[in-house]
Amino acid sequence: GQNIDQPTEMTATEGAIVQINCTYQTSGFNGLFWYQQHAGEAPTFLSYNVLDGLEEKGRFSSFLSRSKGYSYLLLKELQMKDSASYLCALMDSNYQLIWGAGTKLIIKP
Amino acid sequence: DGGITQSPKYLFRKEGQNVTLSCEQNLNHDAMYWYRQDPGQGLRLIYYSQIVNDFQKGDIAEGYSVSREKKESFPLTVTSAQKNPTAFYLCASSPPVDYNEQFFGPGTRLTVL
Repeated sequence: GQNIDQPTEMTATEGAIVQINCTYQTSGFNGLFWYQQHAGEAPTFLSYNVLDGLEEKGRFSSFLSRSKGYSYLLLKELQMKDSASYLCALMDSNYQLIWGAGTKLIIKP
Repeated sequence: DGGITQSPKYLFRKEGQNVTLSCEQNLNHDAMYWYRQDPGQGLRLIYYSQIVNDFQKGDIAEGYSVSREKKESFPLTVTSAQKNPTAFYLCASSPPVDYNEQFFGPGTRLTVL
């Protein structure tokens, strides 16, 4: 079967850096996605990793280690608007997305 | 503007009634999906369709039905058989490539009274 774990909630300070971890177990793997979701809104795409390593996009970076079943999303220079839930999603062998429960990130001034 | 629309944003229904949630996309995507999201849980797949006139059950299809008569439209009916229908419902679509980024509509929040 498949399983995805991420912390339920994290708190960080405006201007700081935060790392949100995602661990997974799966029998088939075709990539890992990170999405951002503000309360009551739709998820929006942040990043996609299919090979090991770091993908950087402005203030956001995502890392993947397939051998360890591990990914993280790194957010730099945090802004108040970054307060949201961050969803980790695994693409399985059938190219369907399996979603983690999400990490609620609270940014404090 | 290309995108996905869902209507209505908020929906109330009485217990025992069927209700249909609309999802329309003009992105020319072949694949469309319906998810349910409950507080503290990840998105759970209800149904998906990869081509017109064909659809597949997801993990929690019981009590739901769909149709895919047109490429642009993928309505979801929540039937009275769904025991716990109050939730946030999200529709998504994706282009026909292996790299399966999904684009989401704004969602419909259904409350059963």
